[in-house]
Amino acid sequence: GAGVSQSPSNKVTEKGKDVELRCDPISGHTALYWYRQRLGQGLEFLIYFQGNSAPDKSGLPSDRFSAERTGESVSTLTIQRTQQEDSAVYLCASSSPQLGGGELFFGEGSRLTVL
Amino acid sequence: DAKTTQPPSMDCAEGRAANLPCNHSTISGNEYVYWYRQIHSQGPQYIIHGLKNNETNEMASLIITEDRKSSTLILPHATLRDTAVYYCIVRVYSGYSTLTFGKGTMLLVSP
Repeated sequence: GAGVSQSPSNKVTEKGKDVELRCDPISGHTALYWYRQRLGQGLEFLIYFQGNSAPDKSGLPSDRFSAERTGESVSTLTIQRTQQEDSAVYLCASSSPQLGGGELFFGEGSRLTVL
Repeated sequence: DAKTTQPPSMDCAEGRAANLPCNHSTISGNEYVYWYRQIHSQGPQYIIHGLKNNETNEMASLIITEDRKSSTLILPHATLRDTAVYYCIVRVYSGYSTLTFGKGTMLLVSP
C-alpha cells in the first residue's frame, strides 16, 4: 500500500493477556518508530528500528514490552501480561534516509483497551 | 534536541490566515524546525520543515526568524478541517534522532 498500515485498528483484551500489534511500513523506508498515545495525552516514544536492529529501545516502559522487525519490513510490538495502564493508541511511523529521517509517515494507530 | 515552546491553544476564523508561533531559543546550528499536526483520532501528519530560509509548500508556509530562535507556521486560508493539534519540533536533519512531540498548540477553526 501507499501508506503505513497498522493492525488491528482496535483491540479489546482482558488484563493479563498478551497482545501483538503489527505495522507495515512504507516500502523502502528503513527507519521504523513506535509511539504510544494515552487518551488526551501526547505521543510517547517507545522504540526505533533501523533495518531490523533497534538502536534505541529507551522508551519501552517495562520488560513486558518488546518489538521486533523482519528485515526492512513488518514490525510487531508485543505486550505481555497486559495491564489497564497499557490502554492507549499505539502509533507506528516510518521514514526514509533520503528525506533526512525527520519526515515521518504515521499509520492510523492500533487502539488497545485493556479491561 | 532543542526544546520548543508553543501556546496551548489558538482560535481562527474559517478563511482567515492561521499563524502558529513557536519559540526554540536553544536551537543548534544543525537543527531543523519541523511542523506536524494531529487531527483528532488520526496519526500525526508531516507539514513542513526548514533550516533558516522561509519555506512554502501546498499545505503551509514556514517563517523562521533570522536568529532562528523562533518560527511561525502559516496556514493561509484556514478551513474547518485544519482544526488539529500542531506540533513544532527541532531536530538534526540526518542520522538517527527521534522526534520528540511536546504538547503542541490546539488550533480551533470556527465558521
